[in-house]
Amino acid sequence: AQKVTQAQTEISVVEKEDVTLDCVYETRDTTYYLFWYKQPPSGELVFLIRRNSFDEQNEISGRYSWNFQKSTSSFNFTITASQVVDSAVYFCALSEAYEYGNKLVFGAGTILRVKS
Amino acid sequence: NAGVTQTPKFQVLKTGQSMTLQCAQDMNHEYMSWYRQDPGMGLRLIHYSVGAGITDQGEVPNGYNVSRSTTEDFPLRLLSAAPSQTSVYFCASSRTSGTTDTQYFGPGTRLTVL
Repeated sequence: AQKVTQAQTEISVVEKEDVTLDCVYETRDTTYYLFWYKQPPSGELVFLIRRNSFDEQNEISGRYSWNFQKSTSSFNFTITASQVVDSAVYFCALSEAYEYGNKLVFGAGTILRVKS
Repeated sequence: NAGVTQTPKFQVLKTGQSMTLQCAQDMNHEYMSWYRQDPGMGLRLIHYSVGAGITDQGEVPNGYNVSRSTTEDFPLRLLSAAPSQTSVYFCASSRTSGTTDTQYFGPGTRLTVL
């Protein structure tokens, strides 16, 4: 079975600090898809990024960047110059075929607290 | 374009009561699914649908029913609520059932069963 590990349970930073959230995954598939979702205090799950296994180019979107390394099975997420609004639980997930559909295998999540 | 909507946002039930959690999407997505989120357990797949008229069980289907009469709607029914069903329920949709597509989630329903 596939597995996603987010070893950091909780991280606290001061505003404007950079912070990296780690994600390590296990899969037997040669082609797979990884995702990051954000869950702010309001509770919804917000999609941030999707990455396929055959594209190892790093991605940057504003203050967010993602580092995908197939050799170490990692898909880490960095927030540059963090802001209080970044405070949330962040989930890394792997898409897995399930019967006739699919499901997302989520990591346990990392709670990020950004203090002003 | 509202995306995925869920109602109600909060609900309290007594043991044995039944209710339906509503989910709708306006993106013409083929694939819809229900997850529950519990502390320490992450999100687990309850039921899913690959298209109108087609549903199937996920990892934790017991105590829940679903139907998909239209592309847009995918309600989740609790037949006889139990305290173990206290959870946050998320509905999700994606363009197809393939693992390549992004699943978009609704805002969630927080359910408490007393």
